[in-house]
Amino acid sequence: EVELTQSPGTLSLSPGERATLSCWASQSVSSSYFAWYQQKPGQAPRLLIYGASSRATGIADRFSGSGSGTDFTLTISRLEPEDSAIYYCQQYGTGFTFGPGTKVDIK
Amino acid sequence: QVQLVQSGAEVKKPGASLNVSCRASGYTFTNYYIHWVRQAPGQGLDWMGIINPSDGSASYADNFQVRVTMTRDTSTSTVFMELSGLRSEDTAVYYCATTIVPTAMGAFDLWGQGTMVTVSS
Repeated sequence: EVELTQSPGTLSLSPGERATLSCWASQSVSSSYFAWYQQKPGQAPRLLIYGASSRATGIADRFSGSGSGTDFTLTISRLEPEDSAIYYCQQYGTGFTFGPGTKVDIK
Repeated sequence: QVQLVQSGAEVKKPGASLNVSCRASGYTFTNYYIHWVRQAPGQGLDWMGIINPSDGSASYADNFQVRVTMTRDTSTSTVFMELSGLRSEDTAVYYCATTIVPTAMGAFDLWGQGTMVTVSS
């Protein structure tokens, strides 16, 4: 099973700042099958990024994804208050696994 | 519109079985696989398994292999997830999810609203 590790556990930043979230896989993952999700309290997860770097429909361009192999990154270029959420990475190339999540707090 | 609508919250006793439904609408039900994902309180996302609505074949995560069964009813565009031998650790929100946009390459771009299940004596 491919295990995913996310860092940091919590990120506390101010509006307008840049957030960089990392996700590492225990073995190489095809970038075609790597995604990021945003989840707010009481809501289902929402797909942000698929294929490591493609934004899902309706996702603001301040969200971007990059990476390959075992190292992937989600960047939020200019944080807005509504970006406060937990962000999960996922691989779906070898089975389906999610990372433990990074909580983003907006000060 | 395109959506997945799940059944309502449930309270179950330890040892009982759970049956959660997920009804699809707004798209061709048999064209897209449906997944089940669960989330314990304050915890992350845990993939449970996948069902092919076209032929009913299913594949389950190792953690749930023994206790979970996924089925579908094409006449109502509904998939069902049955979990047996419930224990307190099964208290969680259960989600169904699918990929509707082909270019999403299997990422879960459509989710149900979630079903809260509480297991308590």
